[in-house]
Amino acid sequence: DARVTQTPRHKVTEMGQEVTMRCQPILGHNTVFWYRQTMMQGLELLAYFRNRAPLDDSGMPKDRFSAEMPDATLATLKIQPSEPRDSAVYFCASGLQGRGYVSGANVLTFGAGSRLTVL
Amino acid sequence: AQSVTQLGSHVSVSEGALVLLRCNYSSSVPPYLFWYVQYPNQGLQLLLKYTSAATLVKGINGFEAEFKKSETSFHLTKPSAHMSDAAEYFCAVSEASAGSYQLTFGKGTKLSVIP
Repeated sequence: DARVTQTPRHKVTEMGQEVTMRCQPILGHNTVFWYRQTMMQGLELLAYFRNRAPLDDSGMPKDRFSAEMPDATLATLKIQPSEPRDSAVYFCASGLQGRGYVSGANVLTFGAGSRLTVL
Repeated sequence: AQSVTQLGSHVSVSEGALVLLRCNYSSSVPPYLFWYVQYPNQGLQLLLKYTSAATLVKGINGFEAEFKKSETSFHLTKPSAHMSDAAEYFCAVSEASAGSYQLTFGKGTKLSVIP
């Protein structure tokens, strides 16, 4: 089965440190999403890319978070500096979307997540 | 703007009993609707989707959902609960118009199955 791969699976760091999470989307998928999951807020969309171009990052705190897709096989989410309130599970998901992809439209495949703890 | 409301953050059923998880949506255009399931320490997996074809949608593991436009609902059901169904379930909506395919998720409903 094709899968979305996220690294690291777990990360414990101290406040102020830089954190980078990586995602390898499914080969051939043209969209990548970053979600954050917490008990209080549930699943929040942080950023969304199509064909490697950022389409929406309005859910992301701009002062400390950044998301990029250096190439079609890698998406990164960086937090600098990290804060305790950033502790959450961060999910990457990829899909094949756009006009002409009706049968698979909007179906996302999620990675297993990166659990971040900021002390 | 689109939104999803899942009634009940926690639902408990006995093994063999009917499972009913409620989802109501708000969308300014005809929506695409989804149910995803999340097992502990895993990512979300697609259970089923509605994309404007049949209003009764069958998914994996014996689950199904019915799209009711008049009630703006997309409730998830399963006739007989199994212990392996214990998980968290998320309803999601997407407005596939003007090239926007973002998924908005509900807060989730944690399903417990009592032996």
